[in-house]
Amino acid sequence: EAGVTQFPSHSVIEKGQTVTLRCDPISGHDNLYWYRRVMGKEIKFLLHFVKESKQDESGMPNNRFLAERTGGTYSTLKVQPAELEDSGVYFCASSRTTNTGELFFGEGSRLTVL
Amino acid sequence: GQQLNQSPQSMFIQEGEDVSMNCTSSSIFNTWLWYKQDPGEGPVLLIALYKAGELTSNGRLTAQFGITRKDSFLNISASIPSDVGIYFCAGLNYGGSQGNLIFGKGTKLSVKP
Repeated sequence: EAGVTQFPSHSVIEKGQTVTLRCDPISGHDNLYWYRRVMGKEIKFLLHFVKESKQDESGMPNNRFLAERTGGTYSTLKVQPAELEDSGVYFCASSRTTNTGELFFGEGSRLTVL
Repeated sequence: GQQLNQSPQSMFIQEGEDVSMNCTSSSIFNTWLWYKQDPGEGPVLLIALYKAGELTSNGRLTAQFGITRKDSFLNISASIPSDVGIYFCAGLNYGGSQGNLIFGKGTKLSVKP
């Protein structure tokens, strides 16, 4: 069974540019999550999809971040326009159930904003 | 918002030594979990704890869910070089978003052969 895959693994962009991160969850997992870790800090929740619906987007920092999961399969997270403080590692995770905390994480997409 | 205090921040130990790390919170969690992140990889679940007072082992790893539900510890016995990585504690509450794990800042473990 393929794990959670994320693309790109690393992106370097200038402040003000746009970046789109993609996540392919494990097949059959209805739940998809985005998390972010800024250097040296904790991993922070951004949002949670159940199929194509946003179950919880309370962790999204501001309206420069847009997440979609059309068709309930893969998801994209777009940052537009990117700011310096958006730098960090963006993790996607998926799960079959919602009440255990047992998430399967991807390798992460490292975003560097210069 | 809820925060987890994880300590120590980093550890440098000799192969064969035992390791202990812990997490505390000012608020209660219904579930405690421990994840490990290897360099260049995403976090992987090590142990999940669902009941206050629960003590669970997974090979050389042992974790406990504190009876106050505000803390948890993870012990690693007889460390080996592949134990290197960052260990994260995480708490989960029911009622809110089921995916909204609260993570600690991590404990970076280095093991000298």
